[in-house]
Amino acid sequence: DSGVTQTPKHLITATGQRVTLRCSPRSGDLSVYWYQQSLDQGLQFLIHYYNGEERAKGNILERFSAQQFPDLHSELNLSSLELGDSALYFCASRTGINTDTQYFGPGTRLTVL
Amino acid sequence: EDQVTQSPEALRLQEGESSSLNCSYTVSGLRGLFWYRQDPGKGPEFLFTLYSAGEEKEKERLKATLTKKESFLHITAPKPEDSATYLCAVQARGGGYQKVTFGTGTKLQVIP
Repeated sequence: DSGVTQTPKHLITATGQRVTLRCSPRSGDLSVYWYQQSLDQGLQFLIHYYNGEERAKGNILERFSAQQFPDLHSELNLSSLELGDSALYFCASRTGINTDTQYFGPGTRLTVL
Repeated sequence: EDQVTQSPEALRLQEGESSSLNCSYTVSGLRGLFWYRQDPGKGPEFLFTLYSAGEEKEKERLKATLTKKESFLHITAPKPEDSATYLCAVQARGGGYQKVTFGTGTKLQVIP
């Protein structure tokens, strides 16, 4: 158990809908990262938050957005969903800005029908 | 553009049959190379970080090594519980953590 929690574990929805994925980092970790993992693709970095502030964006679509709240949990919002958005979404946390080890959560499996 | 290529894509070993997984990379100045283990439907589990050529790290039956162009994950006398997908990732120097690039992994199956 990495100490990172994600909810829900599974999510099935229809095209055009909007969903919110939630992540709680390890106790004391200030950084949260979101990744997308599709079948046949490696982990794709989406976005990084540090202590409530957005620090970096990767290959994140404009239909996707995220935020980190004062209690450090983070939410990833996916809107106008398309079939191609079906994937595993992971969040990871890291203690500081300069430490390297990321601890991944169990993921949310999103299926768009 | 940073690139990570892992080989083989899949590997089937008999229990006790040692082997190595390869991670070839190109990066604009390596800050760190990471190995993770991922079980089906679960999040990646951190194994090692390597920073410079010649560095080696060990954990139980696993040993990771690094050269200027590739990293190897050596598995000695594997057991069925070592079956998983092993991911390699590189972080470029100066780019912040958004510069981490993952490979697509090697799926290892260890048969009793």
